[in-house]
Amino acid sequence: GAGVSQSPSNKVTEKGKDVELRCDPISGHTALYWYRQSLGQGLEFLIYFQGNSAPDKSGLPSDRFSAERTGGSVSTLTIQRTQQEDSAVYLCASSLALSYNEQFFGPGTRLTVL
Amino acid sequence: AQSVSQHNHHVILSEAASLELGCNYSYGGTVNLFWYVQYPGQHLQLLLKYFSGDPLVKGIKGFEAEFIKSKFSFNLRKPSVQWSDTAEYFCAVNENTGFQKLVFGTGTRLLVSP
Repeated sequence: GAGVSQSPSNKVTEKGKDVELRCDPISGHTALYWYRQSLGQGLEFLIYFQGNSAPDKSGLPSDRFSAERTGGSVSTLTIQRTQQEDSAVYLCASSLALSYNEQFFGPGTRLTVL
Repeated sequence: AQSVSQHNHHVILSEAASLELGCNYSYGGTVNLFWYVQYPGQHLQLLLKYFSGDPLVKGIKGFEAEFIKSKFSFNLRKPSVQWSDTAEYFCAVNENTGFQKLVFGTGTRLLVSP
């Protein structure tokens, strides 16, 4: 595909359940990012993968959040024991290496925790 | 820590009016600066970016931005807006190092009335 894809597009879950969100980056992009967009909060950085380096997890809000990137491509963001405050749009982006390169964003996954 | 301020949360303009959206950042080092736009129902996409050279940057759809280092500002401008410019605009910054996470402002919602 030409762009970053994410699945599912919408996820409704009950408080306390675990969820997995998937991101397929643009082929050849070595850097992958997860952001969260909450109502009125703007976009908040969560985690960043660059090649085979250890990920930068400094933005993860709690230990309920984790992410992995398998084979340098697809990434999964997992939220355990979801809480209502986790409701947001989760955005994935990818880019070539180097900080000035454009990050290409996916359509996001809208997570609603009831 | 870096932060980005967008002073205008909502802007309403008539077609053909001029636009200026403010963006200020706090970081003492060398930065890359970006403006992203999110049209209704669409992905975030890059409008323009600055990483070195001419501080007046031109982007897509007639937008431009000026980096004023002494003011830590990167304001977005367009001389004559169109109805199709109705969208949410985000200013973002990252460090000009290997650390690539973007720090976003909270966004400005622009409504252009025909």
